[in-house]
Amino acid sequence: EIVLTQSPGSLSLSPGERATLSCRASQSVTSNSLAWYQQKPGQAPRLLIFDVSSRATGIPDRFSGSGSGTDFTLTISRLEPEDIAVYYCQLYGRSPPFGQGTRLEIK
Amino acid sequence: EVQLVQSGAEVKKPGESLKISCEASGYSFPNYWIGWVRQKPGRGLEWMGVVYPADSHITYSPSFQGQVTISADMSARTAYLQWNSLQASDTAIYYCVRPVAYYDSSGYRLQVEYFQYWGQGTLVTVSS
Repeated sequence: EIVLTQSPGSLSLSPGERATLSCRASQSVTSNSLAWYQQKPGQAPRLLIFDVSSRATGIPDRFSGSGSGTDFTLTISRLEPEDIAVYYCQLYGRSPPFGQGTRLEIK
Repeated sequence: EVQLVQSGAEVKKPGESLKISCEASGYSFPNYWIGWVRQKPGRGLEWMGVVYPADSHITYSPSFQGQVTISADMSARTAYLQWNSLQASDTAIYYCVRPVAYYDSSGYRLQVEYFQYWGQGTLVTVSS
């Protein structure tokens, strides 16, 4: 069973800055089998990125995904106050695991 | 527009039974997998399982096999999550999800990709 570990656990940045969120898999991941979600306070999660780097419908191009093997990254360029949320990565599979999340705060 | 609308919050006592629902609209209900994700208070997300309404085939996460029952009613365009005997540890928000999923080359092992659509969540509180 592959375990996903996200870092940092929390992140506090100013508007306009760039956020880099990491997701590390315990084993190498085959093909582009990773997604990212955004969960704003009191809301359901929302799909941001699928297949490592494809943005979901309606997601602004400030959000981008990259990576391969065991290391994956969600980058949010030019942070906006509305980006306050917990971000989760998730691996495809027969029993798809989620990472534990990274909490993003805006200063 | 795809929509997943879940039933309202529930407060139950340990040992009681419960069935929560998720009504789908905006797509061909029989032909897409639909399922559930759990989020315990202040915690992360856990995939529970999915059902294919057209043939009622169900795949459970090993962590939830035997603990819950997932089902679907095509005529009502609704998926369900059911417990026979709730425990305090079942207290959580349960999200209805529509994943991208397919059978692999074996023809019987389900591969779940990403969760494209989410319901608004149903809070289940189990307390004596």
